[in-house]
Amino acid sequence: EIVLTQSPGTLSLSPGERATLSCRASQSVSSSYLAWYQQKPGQAPRLLIYGASSRATGIPDRFSGSGSGTDFTLTISRLEPEDFAVYYCQQYGSSFGGGTKVEIK
Amino acid sequence: QLQLQESGPGLVKPSETLSLTCTVSGGSISSSSYYWGWIRQPPGKGLEWIGSIYYSGSTYYNPSLKSRVTISVDTSKNQFSLKLSSVTAADTAVYYCARNVITHFDYWGQGTLVTVSS
Repeated sequence: EIVLTQSPGTLSLSPGERATLSCRASQSVSSSYLAWYQQKPGQAPRLLIYGASSRATGIPDRFSGSGSGTDFTLTISRLEPEDFAVYYCQQYGSSFGGGTKVEIK
Repeated sequence: QLQLQESGPGLVKPSETLSLTCTVSGGSISSSSYYWGWIRQPPGKGLEWIGSIYYSGSTYYNPSLKSRVTISVDTSKNQFSLKLSSVTAADTAVYYCARNVITHFDYWGQGTLVTVSS
């Protein structure tokens, strides 16, 4: 079973700053199989990125995904107030990472 | 617009079986392009994939839960269901159903909280 480890656990940033979130897999993952989600309190997760770098429908272009093998990154180029949330990576429609909380500094 | 809605008891006693149903509207569960899955989230914790099913009935489960999980589909009602047996307090969580595009989940239900308590 592939284990996904996300870091950092919490990221404290100000609006307008750049956020870089990491997802590391315990063994190599096909880029096609890596997805990112955003979750706000009391809401279901929302798909942001699939196939490591493809934005889902309606997702702003300030969100971008990259990476391959065992190391993947979600970047938010300029944080908007609505971007403060928890972010999860997932591989092959199964196991999730533990999440990274992006909080207002 | 595709919508998914979870339904079922919000309270289950320890050692009993948790049963939930997900009703899909705005699209057919029999589409050949998709699986349908269950994910849960204990209060204040992260997401855990439980399992997924194809309209034909083919399933795949999280190995850590496989011995207790059964997912089934009823194409005539456009629904799929989850059964989790021998529950304990550790199974208390918000349970989500979602459309599984094999490699990711693109549409999610709002989630339903199930509490395991006597």
